[in-house]
Amino acid sequence: DTEVTQTPKHLVMGMTNKKSLKCEQHMGHRAMYWYKQKAKKPPELMFVYSYEKLSINESVPSRFSPECPNSSLLNLHLHALQPEDSALYLCASSHSGSYNEQFFGPGTRLTVL
Amino acid sequence: GENVEQHPSTLSVQEGDSAVIKCTYSDSASNYFPWYKQELGKRPQLIIDIRSNVGEKKDQRIAVTLNKTAKHFSLHITETQPEDSAVYFCAASMERGGGNKLTFGTGTQLKVEL
Repeated sequence: DTEVTQTPKHLVMGMTNKKSLKCEQHMGHRAMYWYKQKAKKPPELMFVYSYEKLSINESVPSRFSPECPNSSLLNLHLHALQPEDSALYLCASSHSGSYNEQFFGPGTRLTVL
Repeated sequence: GENVEQHPSTLSVQEGDSAVIKCTYSDSASNYFPWYKQELGKRPQLIIDIRSNVGEKKDQRIAVTLNKTAKHFSLHITETQPEDSAVYFCAASMERGGGNKLTFGTGTQLKVEL
């Protein structure tokens, strides 16, 4: 399996809702990433997990809470989001270390009402 | 932190012509430079990459060059085809926290016209 999968594909939520985004890979990658991508903009790194431990948090607001339950799964828990958080959320994975390609999932299109 | 600039923001070429996209980066610690193609509504996909100890790399119609001294790298697509139409992102990467921290350029919308 050489793909990163993400669920759901689309999500609409109110500002008081709690929801979660899920990401899965079975390529044996030990580094996993969350990115946020607004329309017509590049992906922006949010979090990096290495060997199931959070290693980078790019000063992301606490209403976004990542979790890595095991080496194949990555979650992003959402709570009390703002309309400006509406975006495409991309998950990626790679082998650890330098020079390694990041494989992206198809993303979750999030709309916050 | 790392800053990556990318030009042009839009590029329109005739089918069969060549296309060149240029990027500069700021942090000399960056050592890996991937290029991603993103079609509308789809995930970014790697098309070619280059390591900092290599000056040039080619894969069929696609080539990338890197000038470490000037902190410039470029993507060259020859014999362009309509299916090359997409947004192209350059990126600079450095190892951080056990993974690779990618900083993307602002993107180039390439349109290949018949």
